[in-house]
Amino acid sequence: AQTVTQSQPEMSVQEAETVTLSCTYDTSESDYYLFWYKQPPSRQMILVIRQEAYKQQNATENRFSVNFQKAAKSFSLKISDSQLGDAAMYFCAYRRTNSGGYQKVTFGTGTKLQVIP
Amino acid sequence: EPEVTQTPSHQVTQMGQEVILRCVPISNHLYFYWYRQILGQKVEFLVSFYNNEISEKSEIFDDQFSVERPDGSNFTLKIRSTKLEDSAMYFCASRTGFFPSTDTQYFGPGTRLTVL
Repeated sequence: AQTVTQSQPEMSVQEAETVTLSCTYDTSESDYYLFWYKQPPSRQMILVIRQEAYKQQNATENRFSVNFQKAAKSFSLKISDSQLGDAAMYFCAYRRTNSGGYQKVTFGTGTKLQVIP
Repeated sequence: EPEVTQTPSHQVTQMGQEVILRCVPISNHLYFYWYRQILGQKVEFLVSFYNNEISEKSEIFDDQFSVERPDGSNFTLKIRSTKLEDSAMYFCASRTGFFPSTDTQYFGPGTRLTVL
């Protein structure tokens, strides 16, 4: 079974600084997707960034980027120039590429990010 | 931008009562999901639903749970006889299904269920 581990329950960062959230996962699959979801206090969970395992290039999305280390099964999220609106719970998640089309997502326990003005 | 919506935002019920949690997926989506998150724990998959039938379910999704798409727009999760341990945040999600390997699940804001 696939598992996703986030070892940092809480993190804090000064506004405009950079922070890295850690995630490791375990799978026997060779092809899969990894995600970072953001859940602000308003509770709507939104997709921040997605990485396809077959791609060597790390995904980037504006101020958000990942460091994907497939051999180490590590998938960290870097937030540059942190803003107050980045304060949220961040979930690392995994999904198999081919799972009969049904594609359940497996989540980590989350990291609560606090942004200090 | 279209969003998944869920009602109610908070449901309080007595142990043993039936509850129905409602979700309105994004209109052109074909695959629907329920997840739950017990306070302080990870988000867990419950069930996926496609073409009016359950396509996959977890060991959590026992006979007390059922899902239905009664009218082509709503997607409901019913818990027949709630237990204290059913207290959790329940998230609905949907995706298009047009590109099975690449498309993304969109999540609703959740319903907080409190069983007393």
